[in-house]
Amino acid sequence: NAGVTQTPKFRVLKTGQSMTLLCAQDMNHEYMYWYRQDPGMGLRLIHYSVGEGTTAKGEVPDGYNVSRLKKQNFLLGLESAAPSQTSVYFCASSASIISPQHFGDGTRLSIL
Amino acid sequence: SQQGEEDPQALSIQEGENATMNCSYKTSINNLQWYRQNSGRGLVHLILIRSNEREKHSGRLRVTLDTSKKSSSLLITASRAADTASYFCATDSLGAGGTSYGKLTFGQGTILTVHP
Repeated sequence: NAGVTQTPKFRVLKTGQSMTLLCAQDMNHEYMYWYRQDPGMGLRLIHYSVGEGTTAKGEVPDGYNVSRLKKQNFLLGLESAAPSQTSVYFCASSASIISPQHFGDGTRLSIL
Repeated sequence: SQQGEEDPQALSIQEGENATMNCSYKTSINNLQWYRQNSGRGLVHLILIRSNEREKHSGRLRVTLDTSKKSSSLLITASRAADTASYFCATDSLGAGGTSYGKLTFGQGTILTVHP
């Protein structure tokens, strides 16, 4: 079982560029989440999804968009990257709202 | 805003010693979870304690929860060098009407270093 797979693992962007981060899970989980982790801070929730075709805003959604067209995939988009979005991005999934979350190994994104 | 505040920020101990990390939070919760993160990796779930539970054990891990004080502690007994990692508490808060949406709020973490 691969679990939660994030692609790419690393990326460097210039300010104003756009990109999409892909998260794929093979556990048939309903719930999926996108977090960002910055130095000295815990993870902060960007967006989440409670099932295929649904998305909702988390704590820090500005500057990001998401889509969940297929149950196993959760995409995070940056339309116009800004240096403040330099971070490590983690995707997670869970079977239910009371189940533990399973995390990918992260995407390290630098925006110059 | 950060729901969980962890203490200490960093902890350095010798192999074989016990490590205790504390977490405080602000709002009513459905459950509280502890995760471990090794350098450069994603978070790994360790243990979940529900709001109506006071203590839970898993191997060398012991978690306590005091909802009256809005605090939790994670005890790792007989620590090993392989326990070196960052440890995070995360709360699943109750929203309006007492509902939970499974959205976790993480603390800043405790960096644990276990010396061989």
